Amino acid sequence: AQSVTQPDIHITVSEGASLELRCNYSYGATPYLFWYVQSPGQGLQLLLKYFSGDTLVQGIKGFEAEFKRSQSSFNLRKPSVHWSDAAEYFCAVGGNTGFQKLVFGTGTRLLVSP
Amino acid sequence: GAVVSQHPSRVICKSGTSVKIECRSLDFQATTMFWYRQFPKQSLMLMATSNEGSKATYEQGVEKDKFLINHASLTLSTLTVTSAHPEDSSFYICSVTTGPLDGYTFGSGTRLTVV
Repeated sequence: AQSVTQPDIHITVSEGASLELRCNYSYGATPYLFWYVQSPGQGLQLLLKYFSGDTLVQGIKGFEAEFKRSQSSFNLRKPSVHWSDAAEYFCAVGGNTGFQKLVFGTGTRLLVSP
Repeated sequence: GAVVSQHPSRVICKSGTSVKIECRSLDFQATTMFWYRQFPKQSLMLMATSNEGSKATYEQGVEKDKFLINHASLTLSTLTVTSAHPEDSSFYICSVTTGPLDGYTFGSGTRLTVV
């Protein structure tokens, strides 16, 4: 069964500092991987996704993620965090054989300090 | 991705009543929609996969008779919480996928409070 682990429940980063959010997945075949961001009381916004090809994926708002098959990881990074990046971040994995469900990690809450 | 509209954004209902939540795909004919539930400060848990013109597929542990899903058209899926109780209070979110390579678009969610 597919699963996603986000080991960090909370992360606090100073504004302007770099960010890395960890995500490890378990999936029996080639996974589709996603990062979403959720502001309080809101739905989810897609930051980026990986299906195949270049393992370094660029997303919106200056985020990027790197797929590492050998480590079963898909970590999210941003070189310089802005106060508006404070939110909940979810990593998710889905199948590549059609309209399959997404399985989410438990999320990482990002706090940005001045 | 698709444009997804979810309504209402907030609803408060009395215990024992039923509540209907709508999820509309505004620009895509969605044969498949997904319903998730999110408890405060927790992740999204898939409740069911809604299939146009057929019965929904429920995840293990989700009560089919309590959470009725109807996907009667390619642009609308509804989730009805029947005989709601306070423990049903949660954030419900729907999702649409436009294909295996396109990812998934989420509605803005519905905050249900049962009093």
